[in-house]
Amino acid sequence: GIQVEQSPPDLILQEGANSTLRCNFSDSVNNLQWFHQNPWGQLINLFYIPSGTKQNGRLSATTVATERYSLLYISSSQTTDSGVYFCAGPTGANNLFFGTGTRLTVIP
Amino acid sequence: KAGVTQTPRYLIKTRGQQVTLSCSPISGHRSVSWYQQTPGQGLQFLFEYFSETQRNKGNFPGRFSGRQFSNSRSEMNVSTLELGDSALYLCASSHRTANEQFFGPGTRLTVL
Repeated sequence: GIQVEQSPPDLILQEGANSTLRCNFSDSVNNLQWFHQNPWGQLINLFYIPSGTKQNGRLSATTVATERYSLLYISSSQTTDSGVYFCAGPTGANNLFFGTGTRLTVIP
Repeated sequence: KAGVTQTPRYLIKTRGQQVTLSCSPISGHRSVSWYQQTPGQGLQFLFEYFSETQRNKGNFPGRFSGRQFSNSRSEMNVSTLELGDSALYLCASSHRTANEQFFGPGTRLTVL
């Protein structure tokens, strides 16, 4: 399977700060997704972004498929943004390969 | 539209027992995938079902099996449980191949 590298592995921010999370893929993926895992373990869909840029409130994401990476931007972070962020992408089949995640802690 | 549901949410079993987990996909979704999450291995793909057929399988032993019913609901079974099977098991559904996947809340399995 493909290798998915996420950076940084851990991030601590002051409330109100901005951040950029990165996801690199070892091979081409289609239909890349970003998730936020809440404290109870559920994966919450943030973006479904094969290519280009999307925005949803304080969050936005950019995928450059030809260079096999994606970025997640969080602006004006809030304590509720804390948790683990995963990127994932399928290969030709419908199974997602996940990165190891970025653990974000936002302190008040 | 209701999301993906999984039952039970928590389960405690002992080594050697077997367990069955259930997943109901979003209405209209025909693809159901299962994933295992552990602190050591992260999130790993188990298998995917589409129209009652297993279409894809991850690198797990034969003790892990699944099935899908005509209403797209899916079950996974783990036989002869081992301590290492303790994990969060997540189910995801999607409308068709390689489309956006939506996850359920998970079943947290503890094997004692």
